[in-house]
Order: sequence, then structure tokens, then C-alpha cells
Amino acid sequence: EAGVVQSPRYKIIEKKQPVAFWCNPISGHNTLYWYRQNLGQGPELLIRYENEEAVDDSQLPKDRFSAERLKGVDSTLKIQPAELGDSAVYLCASSGWRGGEGTDTQYFGPGTRLTVL
Amino acid sequence: AQKVTQAQTEISVVEKEDVTLDCVYETRDTTYYLFWYKQPPSGELVFLIRRNSFDEQNEISGRYSWNFQKSTSSFNFTITASQVVDSAVYFCALNDYKLSFGAGTTVTVRA
Repeated sequence: EAGVVQSPRYKIIEKKQPVAFWCNPISGHNTLYWYRQNLGQGPELLIRYENEEAVDDSQLPKDRFSAERLKGVDSTLKIQPAELGDSAVYLCASSGWRGGEGTDTQYFGPGTRLTVL
Repeated sequence: AQKVTQAQTEISVVEKEDVTLDCVYETRDTTYYLFWYKQPPSGELVFLIRRNSFDEQNEISGRYSWNFQKSTSSFNFTITASQVVDSAVYFCALNDYKLSFGAGTTVTVRA
């Protein structure tokens, strides 16, 4: 069974450039999450989707960050323009029925490591 | 306020030693869920266990065991007879209305 897929795995950009990250959740999972993980810290939620609807985007810096999940499956997170402080790992997770482990258990992708120069 | 506290930043042990990771959480909810995740050097967070607030039974899975004590708001994790492959960052997390992670404990197992 395929897990959460993310691309790219690594991205290096100059500040002020745009960047986009893509995520494909586990098949059948309705809930999708984007997290940011700074070095030496735990992940912090940026946005949560239930199907196509963003139900919690309170931590998303909306001046430069945007996200979409148009068909309720895969999702894209964009930063425009990127700043030095955006350097971090961006993690995607999904949750849903998987039998026995609760519909709230989140399964994570490998992440995208962003470096802004 | 920190909702999940992992007081140990780093732990280093020799192979075959046991290692216990502490996790203390804070919530006003009576219904919540606790999790442990492992993050190896590859970067992917791997789900280890989910425990609901009404189930205080300890759990054992192979060399892993978890001790949940609601009275002290703790959910500790023990690796028995550690192996080099256990080297990773381990995160404790609390889900009351959203998932909040601790800062993680880096475990290094030396051969």
C-alpha cells in the first residue's frame, strides 16, 4: 500500500523566488495536513483540509503562503516570495479510515527540505 | 504554553541498553489521544502508537513499551535492548483538537 507521496524531496532557491510543494495522500484519506518543521523542533500545523475545504488555516502566513486541494485528493503548498526564514522541512500528512488505528492517526510523507539562500 | 514536553533533548546509549523517553502533556479536555512517532535520519515521521485518554493499559509491541499515567499526565516510551537501528528522533504528540508535538528526543544507539 502506497504511503504519502511528496515532491520534490529537496529544493534550494534564492530569496524572493516562488516555490511549490506537492503532496499525494494515502488513497481514501479525506483529511490532509501541511506542517512545517524547523530544525530541532517538532512539526507545526500550517493548514488542514477536509476533502476540498480548508478547515484550519489559522497558522498559515497568508501574505506569502497559499495552498489548494482542488479535487480533494492531492494538494499543493506555495510560497511566494520565499524569505530566508522559510528554510525548513515541509511535511504533508493524511488521515482517514485505515482499520484499527483511528481515523485521526496521521501518516506522514518524507517531506521537502527547503533551503532559501 | 507548551502542550507536550519532552524534557530529554538527547540520549546516548550503548547497544542492548534500555532507554526510556519521557513525555508530559497538558490539556483541559477529558477526551484526547496521545501518539509517538519516530523520525529516522531519512526524515519521514513513522507512526508508532496511538492511545486514547480512557485507556490506561500499558502496551508492549516487541521491544517497545509504553506507560500511560493519566494521574501524572505522562506517556513514557521504553525501548528494551536497544539496537543501532533505533537511532532517531522520537516525538510525543497530543491530539485534543489538533495534533501538537513535543520538541523531540534524539536517541543515539552506539554499537
